[in-house]
Amino acid sequence: DAGVTQSPTHLIKTRGQHVTLRCSPISGHKSVSWYQQVLGQGPQFIFQYYEKEERGRGNFPDRFSARQFPNYSSELNVNALLLGDSALYLCASSLVLPGLAGVNYNEQFFGPGTRLTVL
Amino acid sequence: GESVGLHLPTLSVQEGDNSIINCAYSNSASDYFIWYKQESGKGPQFIIDIRSNMDKRQGQRVTVLLNKTVKHLSLQIAATQPGDSAVYFCAETPWGSGSARQLTFGSGTQLTVLP
Repeated sequence: DAGVTQSPTHLIKTRGQHVTLRCSPISGHKSVSWYQQVLGQGPQFIFQYYEKEERGRGNFPDRFSARQFPNYSSELNVNALLLGDSALYLCASSLVLPGLAGVNYNEQFFGPGTRLTVL
Repeated sequence: GESVGLHLPTLSVQEGDNSIINCAYSNSASDYFIWYKQESGKGPQFIIDIRSNMDKRQGQRVTVLLNKTVKHLSLQIAATQPGDSAVYFCAETPWGSGSARQLTFGSGTQLTVLP
């Protein structure tokens, strides 16, 4: 079984540019979450989607946006890139929304991430 | 303890010894905690979780201890193996009550297993 896949693996952009990161969840999974992981720190929650609707948003500026498609894949978009946006962007998928009563996080799986470097 | 910026706390142990990784959390509303393992070039991998109505939970070679009084969480790894070398994160969230909950991760501890 394929796990969560993310593309591209690595990406180099310059300040002010726009970037689109892609995530394909595990087959059958309907929830996708996005995290930003700056070097040397833990992941920080950005967005959560379930059944194509945004169900959660972290403390990130409006330059960050995301969407989920009918096939449950997802895109994360970042506009007007800043040097501080350089990070590993992680996608996690689960069958349903993790954190609901009775649903455990052991059923949420992370992809390998996209390494974004902003110069 | 927690670190800021690029300096992850590090722990080096001999192969076969037990490892103890600590985590302090700050949100009193958190009542569900998870430990993740992240190997180089990979995303975090779930290890074990614990609800706030428990103070200890055991898995295969791992034990999580929760002390709510001092807001402290620890992960014990028995008979540490080279494959255990990774960065370990604790994460916390208020448990679900009809709405999805988001994880808050700590800054991580780098575990190195020495031969």
